[in-house]
Amino acid sequence: KNQVEQSPQSLIILEGKNCTLQCNYTVSPFSNLRWYKQDTGRGPVSLTIMTFSENTKSNGRYTATLDADTKQSSLHITASQLSDSASYICVVSPGNTDKLIFGTGTRLQVFP
Amino acid sequence: DTAVSQTPKYLVTQMGNDKSIKCEQNLGHDTMYWYKQDSKKFLKIMFSYNNKELIINETVPNRFSPKSPDKAHLNLHINSLELGDSAVYFCASSQFRNTGELFFGEGSRLTVL
Repeated sequence: KNQVEQSPQSLIILEGKNCTLQCNYTVSPFSNLRWYKQDTGRGPVSLTIMTFSENTKSNGRYTATLDADTKQSSLHITASQLSDSASYICVVSPGNTDKLIFGTGTRLQVFP
Repeated sequence: DTAVSQTPKYLVTQMGNDKSIKCEQNLGHDTMYWYKQDSKKFLKIMFSYNNKELIINETVPNRFSPKSPDKAHLNLHINSLELGDSAVYFCASSQFRNTGELFFGEGSRLTVL
């Protein structure tokens, strides 16, 4: 069964600290993996999209990694800011269907 | 300048009523979607249209009927609203069906009393 699992469910860190969010998937075939940021009361916004041949992709202070062999991805946030407080959703595209597989998200809270 | 816009942002209504949510995208994308986000924040696909043609119709009650008058618009009409329909509904669009980045609207929060 195609699934995307994220950990931790929630995370609290202090401003300026780094953190890493995890995403494990059991989706086959695999086309790409995306990370989205969803602020409270807003729609999700794309951070990165990676295909199986890409190991690392950065978007400012956000760096995503992908290991297609172990079917794991991580999202590393460097020097966190209060505005990083949001839910981060990992999404996998199987490629043979229009239906994306969504994770349940990690809720990140950054405190001053 | 808004890429994907939905109206209304908030909708409070009584059980049994019929309501509609409208969505428009100005990105020139061919594919549009409706997603439902429940109280646990899980996003679930409901419908997808590509160039006005229905390509995904998940197991959604037939009280929900999408309509795409043109490829820039995808509206969602809901008949006989039930308490369980309370959720946030997101419209999204993408340039490519399977591989394209999704652009989401701001969401429409529906509360059924």
